[in-house]
Amino acid sequence: DIQMTQSPSSLSASVGDRVTITCRASQNITSYLNWYQQTPGKAPKLVIYGASSMQSGVPSRFRGSGSGTDFTLTISSLQPEDFATYYCQQSYSTPYTFGQGTKLEIK
Amino acid sequence: EVQLLESGGGLVQPGGSLRLSCAASAFTFSSYAMSWVRQAPGKGLEWVSGISGRGGSTDYADSVKGRFTISRDNSKNTLFLQMSSLRAEDTAVYYCASSPYYRGPSLIWGQGTMVTVSS
Repeated sequence: DIQMTQSPSSLSASVGDRVTITCRASQNITSYLNWYQQTPGKAPKLVIYGASSMQSGVPSRFRGSGSGTDFTLTISSLQPEDFATYYCQQSYSTPYTFGQGTKLEIK
Repeated sequence: EVQLLESGGGLVQPGGSLRLSCAASAFTFSSYAMSWVRQAPGKGLEWVSGISGRGGSTDYADSVKGRFTISRDNSKNTLFLQMSSLRAEDTAVYYCASSPYYRGPSLIWGQGTMVTVSS
């Protein structure tokens, strides 16, 4: 199975900050990398797919990049609604494993 | 409105069985691959199982292989997860999710149904 490792596990930031979350795959997954946002008690929401394609309706302050084994999710100018837990997921081969999550908290 | 609605969760004893359903509406269900993803209390997301649009391909996480069976009824726009030999570690919220293609992202998610395995 492909292992997905996110860093950091948690992050404190302020409204207006720029933050970057990293996701590393244990083997080459080309661009089959997705990012999800989850708030407490809610289902995950797709933010980025194919490593860098923004899902419809997602604000342009979200940006995904990377290919192969190393990927990043960058949120520029954090807004109050962005404080959530973010998960990366590979859909290159089953099982479609998730990273352990990055909890983004308000400083 | 495009929607997925899970049902069938509840309390079950270890070793027991449960069948989850996921009803889809407002999209061409048979054109979408479907997945089950679970989240244990306070934990992260775990992909459990997936099925292709026509149902010809299925996959499972090692943790549920041989115990869980995914299936779909495209005539009824419904996805199923038959769970047997349940263990305490299967306790989680179970989400169904749809993908535009088999290696695609999970685009639409249901609200989740809670499964608790306990004596």
